[in-house]
Amino acid sequence: KQEVTQIPAALSVPEGENLVLNCSFTDSAIYNLQWFRQDPGKGLTSLLLIQSSQREQTSGRLNASLDKSSGRSTLYIAASQPGDSATYLCAVPYSGGGADGLTFGKGTHLIIQP
Amino acid sequence: EPEVTQTPSHQVTQMGQEVILRCVPISNHLYFYWYRQILGQKVEFLVSFYNNEISEKSEIFDDQFSVERPDGSNFTLKIRSTKLEDSAMYFCASSEGGLSGRTAFTYNEQFFGPGTRLTVL
Repeated sequence: KQEVTQIPAALSVPEGENLVLNCSFTDSAIYNLQWFRQDPGKGLTSLLLIQSSQREQTSGRLNASLDKSSGRSTLYIAASQPGDSATYLCAVPYSGGGADGLTFGKGTHLIIQP
Repeated sequence: EPEVTQTPSHQVTQMGQEVILRCVPISNHLYFYWYRQILGQKVEFLVSFYNNEISEKSEIFDDQFSVERPDGSNFTLKIRSTKLEDSAMYFCASSEGGLSGRTAFTYNEQFFGPGTRLTVL
């Protein structure tokens, strides 16, 4: 059964810093990995989808990397801003391989101090 | 920009009552999903739906749950006899592609709705 772990659970940094959020998963036979952001009491906003054939994916100040063999992904946030404050979730296919549903980590709760 | 919508935003019901949660997926998407998030816990997969049938379900999705696409736009989750532990935020999601239909994986990015908060008293 696929398990997803995210480290750290919480992070508070001053504005302007570059950040790295970590995600690890137990079953490396995945087709893709998706990063989301969740604001309090709200839905999930998709940030990036990395296919298993890719090693990196970039969107604006966000860069996500994927190392399937080691079961790890990182989300790099450059020049953090207070508006980046949210919970960041990592998700992989539910049963590790040919599955449509996603298994989520508990998330990293990020606070960017102005 | 197209988005997934869900109604109602908040539903309060008595234990044992039936509830139907509604979703309108993004119009050209073919794959639909339901997830739930109990307060303070992880987002959990319930069920995926493709080509008018369930393609995958988790162990949470037992006989009290059912899904339906009653027309060309809506996707519903029915909970037959609600329990206190069904209180949670329920999210609908959709994607253009997916693995069930073996379409290109590029298109299986999932987009989520704002959620329905279900409170069972």
